[in-house]
Amino acid sequence: AQSVTQPDIHITVSEGASLELRCNYSYGATPYLFWYVQSPGQGLQLLLKYFSGDTLVQGIKGFEAEFKRSQSSFNLRKPSVHWSDAAEYFCAVGVDRGSTLGRLYFGRGTQLTVWP
Amino acid sequence: GAVVSQHPSRVICKSGTSVKIECRSLDFQATTMFWYRQFPKKSLMLMATSNEGSKATYEQGVEKDKFLINHASLTLSTLTVTSAHPEDSSFYICSASRQGAGYGYTFGSGTRLTVV
Repeated sequence: AQSVTQPDIHITVSEGASLELRCNYSYGATPYLFWYVQSPGQGLQLLLKYFSGDTLVQGIKGFEAEFKRSQSSFNLRKPSVHWSDAAEYFCAVGVDRGSTLGRLYFGRGTQLTVWP
Repeated sequence: GAVVSQHPSRVICKSGTSVKIECRSLDFQATTMFWYRQFPKKSLMLMATSNEGSKATYEQGVEKDKFLINHASLTLSTLTVTSAHPEDSSFYICSASRQGAGYGYTFGSGTRLTVV
């Protein structure tokens, strides 16, 4: 069965520090992988996605993620965190249904707090 | 880019009444719509999946008679919470996918439902 694990519920970093949010998945085929960010009371914003090709993907707001098939991981990174990055981050796996996508499986989320 | 407009963003209703939430894809045809529910400080829980012109497929434990989903056209899907009770208070988010897996998912901005 498909599943997504985000082992860190809450991470606190200082502004300007580097950041890595962990994500591991379980999926029987080649996964479609996503990272979303959610501010309080808001919807989800797509940071980046991996479908195929280069395993290091660049996203918006200076984020990047690396797909490592051998480790079933898709960790999110940012070299220098800004106070505005404080939010909830969700990793998700999309199900391939051939010509379209099926449902998303979400991790439980990681709450990022940024100290000034 | 692809946009899903979700309305209303906030709604307060009395216990026992029904509330309808709309999601419209503004510039693409949403072949599949996913409806999620999110509890405070929790991840997104898939409620149901609907394909245009077909009955929705509900996840285990979701009451189909309480949460009525209609996907009558390729640009409009609705979720009606019938006979709402305080425990139905939550954040509801829709997400659309379309032909062509590479497009990913487009999320609505969410609806905060409060039942009093």
